Amino acid sequence: AQTVTQSQPEMSVQEAETVTLSCTYDTSESDYYLFWYKQPPSRQMILVIRQEAYKQQNATENRFSVNFQKAAKSFSLKISDSQLGDAAMYFCAYRSAEYKLSFGAGTTVTVRA
Amino acid sequence: EAQVTQNPRYLITVTGKKLTVTCSQNMNHEYMSWYRQDPGLGLRQIYYSMNVEVTDKGDVPEGYKVSRKEKRNFPLILESPSPNQTSLYFCASRSLGLYQPQHFGDGTRLSIL
Repeated sequence: AQTVTQSQPEMSVQEAETVTLSCTYDTSESDYYLFWYKQPPSRQMILVIRQEAYKQQNATENRFSVNFQKAAKSFSLKISDSQLGDAAMYFCAYRSAEYKLSFGAGTTVTVRA
Repeated sequence: EAQVTQNPRYLITVTGKKLTVTCSQNMNHEYMSWYRQDPGLGLRQIYYSMNVEVTDKGDVPEGYKVSRKEKRNFPLILESPSPNQTSLYFCASRSLGLYQPQHFGDGTRLSIL
């Protein structure tokens, strides 16, 4: 099974500041897909952003952006101008050509007003 | 509205009493899967299905069964539940194509006493 590691169980950020969540993964494949999901207290799983491994350009969705370092097998998520509604657990996920989606353990983000 | 519907959302039951968690999607997706979420472990895949009558094991299939008789439905069956199956369960679906994101249900909280 693929391994996805999120080394930060919890992160705290001041409202309007920036926070970066780390994610590393283990794979021997060259073609794969990476995702960040948000899980607020309502426990819904919401797609935040996604990245194709063969694309060098980092994905961006409004205040959310990634830093994809393929050689280092790293896929960090940056949340800019943090808002109270960003408070949630964030999961990094990896999918290979085998279709299976593997998740990290998650990082809980707290936003301080 | 496009959605994945799980039922029940909450269930408390006793060891050994067979139960079924239903999952239905209205997006005509080929791919459906079940995950369980446990603290510190993220989401782990139980079973998945690529299409009708095609199912396969994920990372943690022991103690679970699934069926895919119709494209829209993918029930999860616990024939003889045990306390270690107490968890939060998610059903998800997506269309084929590796870049397609998964759509998740709202989750089912199962407690096995």
